[in-house]
Amino acid sequence: KAGVTQTPRYLIKTRGQQVTLSCSPISGHRSVSWYQQTPGQGLQFLFEYFSETQRNKGNFPGRFSGRQFSNSRSEMNVSTLELGDSALYLCASSLASGTATYEQYFGPGTRLTVT
Amino acid sequence: AQSVTQLDSHVSVSEGTPVLLRCNYSSSYSPSLFWYVQHPNKGLQLLLKYTSAATLVKGINGFEAEFKKSETSFHLTKPSAHLRDAAEYFCVVSEGYKLSFGAGTTVTVRA
Repeated sequence: KAGVTQTPRYLIKTRGQQVTLSCSPISGHRSVSWYQQTPGQGLQFLFEYFSETQRNKGNFPGRFSGRQFSNSRSEMNVSTLELGDSALYLCASSLASGTATYEQYFGPGTRLTVT
Repeated sequence: AQSVTQLDSHVSVSEGTPVLLRCNYSSSYSPSLFWYVQHPNKGLQLLLKYTSAATLVKGINGFEAEFKKSETSFHLTKPSAHLRDAAEYFCVVSEGYKLSFGAGTTVTVRA
């Protein structure tokens, strides 16, 4: 079974631009979560989607948004990029349904550099 | 809110010696706990999980962890370290579908 895939793997953008990152979950997984990883803040939860609905959101400004499609693929968008948005963005998928807890499987990440 | 504290930011061991990575958790109810490993420039890989079954959990690559409710701990161990175990390890607590990560422990393995 193929793992979680993320595209692109590397991205360089300029301050003020916007960016869209894509994530394809493991087949059959309906939950997709996004995380930001930086050396200073570590791994931080951005948001989680299940059946095209955002169920939970972390403490990030409104510039960070996401969506999920009917095939469970997900995108996240960051508008008006700031230097501090430079990070590794990780996507994870899970079988999770309702409030049951299932382990999450991570993709390789997208390395975003903002100059 | 649930949280985890990894007690060591860096652990250095010799190849073939035991590895111990310490993690304490805070939870208002029975938690789900995980250990993940991240090799350089890679995503996170699940090592093992605890979800209120057996307190001693066996994972991949010879790792295991013991859940101790009285000590609110979930320490990760491996009897004999290998060079390929050099990586960053994260203790994680689940709050429903939201994961909260510890700060990570970097493991160095000396040949």
